[in-house]
Amino acid sequence: SQQGEEDPQALSIQEGENATMNCSYKTSINNLQWYRQNSGRGLVHLILIRSNEREKHSGRLRVTLDTSKKSSSLLITASRAADTASYFCATDVTGGFKTIFGAGTRLFVKA
Amino acid sequence: GAVVSQHPSWVICKSGTSVKIECRSLDFQATTMFWYRQFPKQSLMLMATSNEGSKATYEQGVEKDKFLINHASLTLSTLTVTSAHPEDSSFYICSALTGRGTEAFFGQGTRLTVV
Repeated sequence: SQQGEEDPQALSIQEGENATMNCSYKTSINNLQWYRQNSGRGLVHLILIRSNEREKHSGRLRVTLDTSKKSSSLLITASRAADTASYFCATDVTGGFKTIFGAGTRLFVKA
Repeated sequence: GAVVSQHPSWVICKSGTSVKIECRSLDFQATTMFWYRQFPKQSLMLMATSNEGSKATYEQGVEKDKFLINHASLTLSTLTVTSAHPEDSSFYICSALTGRGTEAFFGQGTRLTVV
């Protein structure tokens, strides 16, 4: 079964706006990762945040992790049309090595 | 960073034939690899965990006789879709776990179309 649930399922914004996507999961994790997938293509790894970290930045990306609420958020600042893609959170479950993906958020950035 | 290569990137086959997809870790040894399937506009669903030198562990609902997994070496796992049917058409992605077991790296995926 899917470990992560994401919201919103779809998000449409104007270029230059910020986009926030949320992910919730069910069990304890070792780390949580965010990936991007352009239509019909492979995954691009964006950022990994470990269970003992609360926030992480990478360029225009900001990821937070709240293990008490079992949730994470991905913020993309100053969005660009090229950010249009599907974004997935994925968790590595404690005690196992499987990476389980959330349902994903489809982001559309209008130029 | 670690590189995982998947081959082929796309394949079209006739219904009833078998298709083999390869997943290679190019610059590290991977005792564990994972196979995922993704239908259009859906998320990645874990199909099975492939362990070098032993039988794969399949997720509930995945037919092990239809999706044969072989992990014969520390750098190669193969997924064979046997007697493929149009409903098997999907995007298949593998990932390989590094030796430390803390991070998985993904292949670029294989788009299978069964006609």
